[in-house]
Amino acid sequence: DAKTTQPPSMDCAEGRAANLPCNHSTISGNEYVYWYRQIHSQGPQYIIHGLKNNETNEMASLIITEDRKSSTLILPHATLRDTAVYYCIVRDDYKLSFGAGTTVTVRA
Amino acid sequence: DTAVSQTPKYLVTQMGNDKSIKCEQNLGHDTMYWYKQDSKKFLKIMFSYNNKELIINETVPNRFSPKSPDKAHLNLHINSLELGDSAVYFCASSRLAGGLYNEQFFGPGTRLTVL
Repeated sequence: DAKTTQPPSMDCAEGRAANLPCNHSTISGNEYVYWYRQIHSQGPQYIIHGLKNNETNEMASLIITEDRKSSTLILPHATLRDTAVYYCIVRDDYKLSFGAGTTVTVRA
Repeated sequence: DTAVSQTPKYLVTQMGNDKSIKCEQNLGHDTMYWYKQDSKKFLKIMFSYNNKELIINETVPNRFSPKSPDKAHLNLHINSLELGDSAVYFCASSRLAGGLYNEQFFGPGTRLTVL
């Protein structure tokens, strides 16, 4: 019952920007977009979240379209350690509902 | 000074046994969670406690019983273990502020294998 659609996998070259798309066409006005990632054999790690404005932190940037029906997570300079499953989650309460995510492989 | 810790990291046991997984957080958070990640890698929430009170209880067999002795701990006890309980169990915590549950911090996981 995930509310988001992400590509199952993508490759990225080390040192280049990685742009991860997410569709959330049924998002409602009070729902936030959250991004988490899970590196192999570790617990999920929070990356960033936003409501309608673009957001940036030390890990990534989040670009949300004006109609809020899609967003893009940008890893500005991907490293091998960024290889992980990235989850885009639409959230309006205390629950995080994880979908299948995008498996991102960063190649040297 | 691990933020969210779980013990044990690995747990191998026989069907029918009763086992517990412990979780502790030192972040001063007031809300804690248990998630299950099955063999297909889907993460699903099981329970959540806020200030020691149960606030989320998804469709989980009543063989699973969470217990929160204080805000820093949320333990998961499982009775009569079944093969289908084999999974990785993650504990997480967060802080309620301004009416919104903020980002959750996850523990390293406990891999449970039921033989």
